[in-house]
Amino acid sequence: GAGVSQSPSNKVTEKGKDVELRCDPISGHTALYWYRQRLGQGLEFLIYFQGNSAPDKSGLPSDRFSAERTGESVSTLTIQRTQQEDSAVYLCASISPGPNTEAFFGQGTRLTVV
Amino acid sequence: AQSVTQLGSHVSVSEGALVLLRCNYSSSVPPYLFWYVQYPNQGLQLLLKYTSAATLVKGINGFEAEFKKSETSFHLTKPSAHMRDAAEYFCAVSVFGLHGKLTFGQGTILTVHP
Repeated sequence: GAGVSQSPSNKVTEKGKDVELRCDPISGHTALYWYRQRLGQGLEFLIYFQGNSAPDKSGLPSDRFSAERTGESVSTLTIQRTQQEDSAVYLCASISPGPNTEAFFGQGTRLTVV
Repeated sequence: AQSVTQLGSHVSVSEGALVLLRCNYSSSVPPYLFWYVQYPNQGLQLLLKYTSAATLVKGINGFEAEFKKSETSFHLTKPSAHMRDAAEYFCAVSVFGLHGKLTFGQGTILTVHP
């Protein structure tokens, strides 16, 4: 597709279960971000991938969170042993290359932990 | 380190009135600055960006923002509000273009009443 695709769009999970969120970036975009948006709050940076460089994981809130990206393609964000405070919308953005860079956001995955 | 502060989590204006959404940033190096809009149940969309060229930046839907280094501000304005402008607006800062962390403010919800 033409845009950033995230799946699933909605996920309800029980506390303690693991979840995996997927992001398909725009083809040719070398950089990718994951953000978290809790209800009524701003965007919280989680992790940043740029090509083959080591990812910037400084925003991951705990070791229950991890993310992978293979080359310049799909990225997955995994949350282990989910907690209720993990409930949020998880947003992925891919970055167009070149001097006129821009971040293109997906629609997000709304995660609800019950 | 970089940060963004959006003054006012909620702004309410009448249709046809001036829209002013405030954003102040902190950055140790010349920043790139962005405004994003999030309409209800939609993803983030870029409104405009400042990348060290003209200090007055014009974006989509009649919005514009002015970079003022002396005030470390990047306020968003629109001369005349429309009902369709009702949304949440996010200011963001990045250094070295987008090759690094894109840091968002907490967001400002704009309400437009008849």
